[in-house]
Amino acid sequence: TQLLEQSPQFLSIQEGENLTVYCNSSSVFSSLQWYRQEPGEGPVLLVTVVTGGEVKKLKRLTFQFGDARKDSSLHITAAQPGDTGLYLCADPYSGGGADGLTFGKGTHLIIQP
Amino acid sequence: EAGVTQFPSHSVIEKGQTVTLRCDPISGHDNLYWYRRVMGKEIKFLLHFVKESKQDESGMPNNRFLAERTGGTYSTLKVQPAELEDSGVYFCASGQGPREQYFGPGTRLTVT
Repeated sequence: TQLLEQSPQFLSIQEGENLTVYCNSSSVFSSLQWYRQEPGEGPVLLVTVVTGGEVKKLKRLTFQFGDARKDSSLHITAAQPGDTGLYLCADPYSGGGADGLTFGKGTHLIIQP
Repeated sequence: EAGVTQFPSHSVIEKGQTVTLRCDPISGHDNLYWYRRVMGKEIKFLLHFVKESKQDESGMPNNRFLAERTGGTYSTLKVQPAELEDSGVYFCASGQGPREQYFGPGTRLTVT
């Protein structure tokens, strides 16, 4: 069974700073998704990356897929309090025959004003 | 367009009791998924419906859990009898395929 390791587990920074969080696996991802979850809500899809080396941007968020498709990063520029939340990576095709997403434990991000 | 809804938002029951969770997917979505997050762990897949048929229930923990999807619309997840380790947040998601899943807000289940 594939395991997705996310780091750091917790991150608290000041508004305006930059940050990067990571998602790693011992296995090759077929594709990878990043979600954000806020308290009392379910995860919301931010992006799907498919090709090794792919970079996608969503406003101040930059998502990168490793060349070998075994890791991914999410970089936030000039973080704002609205970026606070739990960031999850997930593999839609984790193998083993299961249809569902395989999630990492997530990075809890707090942006302090 | 309404999103995925789940009921109840919270449920507190005693060990040995029965609880039924409900999920209403986005209209038109044939795929419906159930997930669970227990404290300190990652969100884990439980099962997948395509319309009214169970496509994959490999993640169901044991036979105390029963999921149904009547008429291919809403779905229920029954836990009977509940055990302490069943506590957690149960999420439902719907979509047109595995890469497109829209999650509901979850039901927080506490078994005491």
